[in-house]
Amino acid sequence: SQTIHQWPATLVQPVGSPLSLECTVEGTSNPNLYWYRQAAGRGLQLLFYSVGIGQISSEVPQNLSASRPQDRQFILSSKKLLLSDSGFYLCAYKRARGNYTFGSGTRLTVV
Amino acid sequence: AQSVAQPEDQVNVAEGNPLTVKCTYSVSGNPYLFWYVQYPNRGLQFLLKYITGDNLVKGSYGFEAEFNKSQTSFHLKKPSALVSDSALYFCAVSPGTARNEKLTFGTGTRLTIIP
Repeated sequence: SQTIHQWPATLVQPVGSPLSLECTVEGTSNPNLYWYRQAAGRGLQLLFYSVGIGQISSEVPQNLSASRPQDRQFILSSKKLLLSDSGFYLCAYKRARGNYTFGSGTRLTVV
Repeated sequence: AQSVAQPEDQVNVAEGNPLTVKCTYSVSGNPYLFWYVQYPNRGLQFLLKYITGDNLVKGSYGFEAEFNKSQTSFHLKKPSALVSDSALYFCAVSPGTARNEKLTFGTGTRLTIIP
């Protein structure tokens, strides 16, 4: 079966520290992968999407970066976190046309 | 560029009454339209989608939505609201025709069902 794993579920990091959030997908190959951020419990903003290994498209300029080192692995990173990076981060993959599945999310608090 | 508008930040409905959560969209070509629900500190849960065919789409938990091409709308409805329907609802659109299709979400509508 197809599943998506996202971790950690919660994270508290100091300002200026690095970040690495991981998302992996099982049971499918060559999926489109997405990172979304939800700030203050409202509004889902697409940050990055990837159609294949090493292919990353950035939707908004920001302090974050994404990488896809393997077909079913999508990583969200930062070298130095800002307070404004706090939010709820969701990973998703497209199973088929018009069929998306979301991970359970990571709540990041930058202090 | 594609976009979604959810004009109401908050909708309050008495339990047992019908509910409507509004959504309008803008996208090139034929749209794929979605409704998702989010409970506190949880990921997104799929409710329903319109891809093609019948304009009235039925989804989970008794929800339905009607695709109206002329009004570019995809309002979410339920005939009789339950307190458990209280949550944050997101409408989303994708063009559905390109390999790099991506979902664009509205800002969300918080639905509160009053007992």
